Amino acid sequence: NAGVMQNPRHLVRRRGQEARLRCSPMKGHSHVYWYRQLPEEGLKFMVYLQKENIIDESGMPKERFSAEFPKEGPSILRIQQVVRGDSAAYFCASSPGGQNLGYTFGSGTRLTVV
Amino acid sequence: AQSVTQPDIHITVSEGASLELRCNYSYGATPYLFWYVQSPGQGLQLLLKYFSGDTLVQGIKGFEAEFKRSQSSFNLRKPSVHWSDAAEYFCAVGTSSGTYKYIFGTGTRLKVLA
Repeated sequence: NAGVMQNPRHLVRRRGQEARLRCSPMKGHSHVYWYRQLPEEGLKFMVYLQKENIIDESGMPKERFSAEFPKEGPSILRIQQVVRGDSAAYFCASSPGGQNLGYTFGSGTRLTVV
Repeated sequence: AQSVTQPDIHITVSEGASLELRCNYSYGATPYLFWYVQSPGQGLQLLLKYFSGDTLVQGIKGFEAEFKRSQSSFNLRKPSVHWSDAAEYFCAVGTSSGTYKYIFGTGTRLKVLA
């Protein structure tokens, strides 16, 4: 049973480019969460999605960031016109429901903006 | 506001010694508490969780944690540390209101001396 799969593991983008981060939840999990980890900091909540629905995006920056979880396929975190401050590790987690039973995290995508 | 404090940024112990990592939280209701471990370049792995009941919780890899409501603490312990335990450890609190956001501490980096 594969865990939460994130790709790519590492992503380098020049300032102004777009970054697309993908997350496939564990089999049977229909709830996806995205967190960002800045250097020397803990993880910060960004967004919570269910299939075709954004449930809570209160942690998303107001501009340039968007997320989706389509009926088919992985969840996508999209960052437009990246800036140096977007450099971070982005983690996806999934759960079978919205209860606080403990997520399963993916290995993350480390975004570097040059 | 909810918060999690891990007062020790770095801890160094000798292999075979006992370990205690501190975690204090601020939350008005009964919290859901978690400890995660992150090896370099990897995602987060759930060590243990507390929701209710027995305040001493056993986890994987020989770790345990004790919930002390009077001290708002959830410290992680291990009686004998192994070199493979070197990693970063994160404490997190989830709300009990049915939501799903976790508040993470800034982490404690554990170094193990041979």
